[in-house]
Amino acid sequence: KQEVTQIPAALSVPEGENLVLNCSFTDSAIYNLQWFRQDPGKGLTSLLLIQSSQREQTSGRLNASLDKSSGRSTLYIAASQPGDSATYLCAVNNGFQKLVFGTGTRLLVSP
Amino acid sequence: ETGVTQSPTHLIKTRGQQVTLRCSSQSGHNTVSWYQQALGQGPQFIFQYYREEENGRGNFPPRFSGLQFPNYSSELNVNALELDDSALYLCASSAGQASYEQYFGPGTRLTVT
Repeated sequence: KQEVTQIPAALSVPEGENLVLNCSFTDSAIYNLQWFRQDPGKGLTSLLLIQSSQREQTSGRLNASLDKSSGRSTLYIAASQPGDSATYLCAVNNGFQKLVFGTGTRLLVSP
Repeated sequence: ETGVTQSPTHLIKTRGQQVTLRCSSQSGHNTVSWYQQALGQGPQFIFQYYREEENGRGNFPPRFSGLQFPNYSSELNVNALELDDSALYLCASSAGQASYEQYFGPGTRLTVT
């Protein structure tokens, strides 16, 4: 059974810092991994999708890496801004589009 | 291009009642998945519909059921509501069954009293 863990559970940083969010999963037989952002009480916004054959994806200040063999992914956020404050969720797709989510990292970026 | 939409936004029901939640998938998407997200937790997979057929189910009892229509919109029905059913219900659509990106709607907040 696939299990996804995210560390840390919460993170508070001053504006401008570069930061790394971690995601680990127990079963390396995945199709892809997706990083999402969730604002309080809202739906999920897809940030980055990494296919199992890829090592990383970049979008603006965000960079996500994937190491399938070790069951790890990281989301790197450069030059953090207060608008980045949200919960970040990673989810792995084991097949047929069933996503298994971690419990998220709650990020607070202070001005 | 219209994104994934869900209705209603919020809903309050009494224990034992039945509820229907609705989802319109993104244009061109034929696969819809439903997730339940309890407060402070990650979303949990309920089930998926592909071309009007159920295509996988998570660890949820039969009182959770669904439908997908020819236009690929979908409904989630929950019978005999329990207090623990209070959660944010999320719908996601994708272009197929393979390794496609999933796009989520804004969710329906269900409160059971």
